[in-house]
Amino acid sequence: GAVVSQHPSWVICKSGTSVKIECRSLDFQATTMFWYRQFPKQSLMLMATSNEGSKATYEQGVEKDKFLINHASLTLSTLTVTSAHPEDSSFYICSATSTALNTEAFFGQGTRLTVV
Amino acid sequence: DQQVKQNSPSLSVQEGRISILNCDYTNSMFDYFLWYKKYPAEGPTFLISISSIKDKNEDGRFTVFLNKSAKHLSLHIVPSQPGDSAVYFCAALRDDKIIFGKGTRLHILP
Repeated sequence: GAVVSQHPSWVICKSGTSVKIECRSLDFQATTMFWYRQFPKQSLMLMATSNEGSKATYEQGVEKDKFLINHASLTLSTLTVTSAHPEDSSFYICSATSTALNTEAFFGQGTRLTVV
Repeated sequence: DQQVKQNSPSLSVQEGRISILNCDYTNSMFDYFLWYKKYPAEGPTFLISISSIKDKNEDGRFTVFLNKSAKHLSLHIVPSQPGDSAVYFCAALRDDKIIFGKGTRLHILP
C-alpha cells in the first residue's frame, strides 16, 4: 500500500522558536494532504486541508499565521508551527490522499511536539 | 508490525441492512478506540469512540462493540444508508499516540 512518511517523529523546541514538520508521500502523488492535531485522550482535530499548489484551507479556530502549511509539490507538505508556545505541545499527524486513489487515505506516523 | 488491523479492504451491504465493520488490535494497553469515516476528496472525520473500560457505545445508528479478551472491536451501522458509503478507519489510542488501521471501504447497495 501507499506510504506516507512524516518527519520528525518527535521534536523538542524552546518557546518562541519555529518548528517545521514534513509529510511526504513516498510512492504516490498526494493531491490533497490533511493536517491533524491530537490532544491527550481526545480525538483528532482537523486543522487544515491543503491541495498541491494552492493555499491551505484552515478549519475554524485554527490560526493560519501560526500554523503555516505549504504544499508545494505532489509529494511534500509541510506544517510550520511559528513562535511555538508550551500550549502548542501536541501530537501532529498528516494524512495524504490522491484523486487516483479514490477514497484511500494514508496517514503519517505522527510528530510529537514538545515546547519547553 | 501492524498494531491495528482491518482485514477486510471492502464490504458491500444492502441499503436498510446492518453494516458490520471489524477491527483487531494487538496491544492490550490501548486506552481508547475510535472510528473515522472518510468521503472522497475529504479528510477523515471522527465518528464514534469507545473507552477500553467499556464494551459498548451507541450513538444513533452507530454502535461500537469492544471485546477486550479477543482484542477485537466492531462498528455496527443500522440501518445502512447510501450516505454511509465511505472508507472507515479504525484507530487505537494510548496516551497521546494514535494508530490507524488501513481502512475498509463500505459500499451501500440500493
